[in-house]
Amino acid sequence: GENVEQHPSTLSVQEGDSAVIKCTYSDSASNYFPWYKQELGKGPQLIIDIRSNVGEKKDQRIAVTLNKTAKHFSLHITETQPEDSAVYFCAASETGFQKLVFGTGTRLLVSP
Amino acid sequence: DAGITQSPRYKITETGRQVTLMCHQTWSHSYMFWYRQDLGHGLRLIYYSAAADITDKGEVPDGYVVSRSKTENFPLTLESATRSQTSVYFCASTHAKMDQPQHFGDGTRLSIL
Repeated sequence: GENVEQHPSTLSVQEGDSAVIKCTYSDSASNYFPWYKQELGKGPQLIIDIRSNVGEKKDQRIAVTLNKTAKHFSLHITETQPEDSAVYFCAASETGFQKLVFGTGTRLLVSP
Repeated sequence: DAGITQSPRYKITETGRQVTLMCHQTWSHSYMFWYRQDLGHGLRLIYYSAAADITDKGEVPDGYVVSRSKTENFPLTLESATRSQTSVYFCASTHAKMDQPQHFGDGTRLSIL
């Protein structure tokens, strides 16, 4: 089955810096890659997703890139703000299937 | 817009007891999921359901039972709780259409003494 690895487990940056979180997946059939943000005491919330027919997707300060050949995808956050501090999860699934396999999470801390 | 709600938010119980976690969604989503979240493991799928009366095992189903008699409800039961089941449990739901995002509840923190 699918296995998703996520790095780093913790990331500390200064406000205004960029942050990058990387994930690799094992199943070449996976075609859907969402990213979730989880704040303390809350459930994960979708922030961006990408499908295999797209190499990059942007939404304001957030972008995701996908390299299907290398089987890895990354989350990029520019101009980080303290409110970006949270745990971020990547996930992967095979198109047509609803089951997601999650990475182990990255705790991002943005210091003012 | 109530969305997806889980109850209780916090629960303490003892080993060997039966405990049921509730999940209710107002979107009429066909798919519903139960995950557990543990440090170092991320979110792991326990059970999922594609529709009322259709359920299937996920990655870590042992010790858990689910049912889905109505589309909007998906309860998770620990028939005889063990300390290893201490965790935060999340319910999620999504449409049947391909690649639709899963929407999560705010979780139930369960402690088994």
